Amino acid sequence: DIVMTQSPLSLPVTLGQPASISCRSSQSLVFSDGNTYLNWFQQRPGQSPRRLIYKISKRDSGVPDRFSGSGSGTDFTLKISRVEAEDVGVYYCMQGTHWSYTFGQGTKLEIK
Amino acid sequence: QVQLVESGGGLVKPGGSLRLSCAASGFTFSDYYMSWIRQAPGKGLEWVSYISNSGNTIYYADSVKGRFTISRDNAKNSLYLQMNSLRAEDTAVYYCARTYGHWGQGILVTVSS
Repeated sequence: DIVMTQSPLSLPVTLGQPASISCRSSQSLVFSDGNTYLNWFQQRPGQSPRRLIYKISKRDSGVPDRFSGSGSGTDFTLKISRVEAEDVGVYYCMQGTHWSYTFGQGTKLEIK
Repeated sequence: QVQLVESGGGLVKPGGSLRLSCAASGFTFSDYYMSWIRQAPGKGLEWVSYISNSGNTIYYADSVKGRFTISRDNAKNSLYLQMNSLRAEDTAVYYCARTYGHWGQGILVTVSS
């Protein structure tokens, strides 16, 4: 299985400051169709996960533009330009290129 | 709006069986692939199974292969997960998801004697 490694696992951030989460895969996530199926999810406390980003950098409907995704191949990043209180939660990357799909361990974002 | 509602969870003894259901509404169910994802208490997310929109293509995580069976009834707008030979490590909240862009609220399955 593809191993997804996130860092950091804990991310204390001051309100209004930027935040960045790294996700690395053990193999390239480029699919045979040329797409890279790398997703980012947010899970707020007590809630179901919500997808923020798909195919590396495409934002889901309703996701604030302070969230952005980038990367290629095996290295990916989720950035929050200015952290707000509602961003507290755990963030997961997930690869949807190779069966079976796999998630990163999760990064817990908290307000400093 | 898209709604996914899981049901069928509960407490079951090791070795027992349980069938989860996911009722879908607000979209054309037969147009979308569906998945089950689970989350053990206090742990991260684990992808469990996938089924294509027609039901012809199915995949499982190694941890459940041979014990769990995913299925769907497009006429009833429903997704299912038949779970047999349950183990303590299958204890988790189980989510159904539509193409990972929409998730249900989750249902708790507890495997314990």
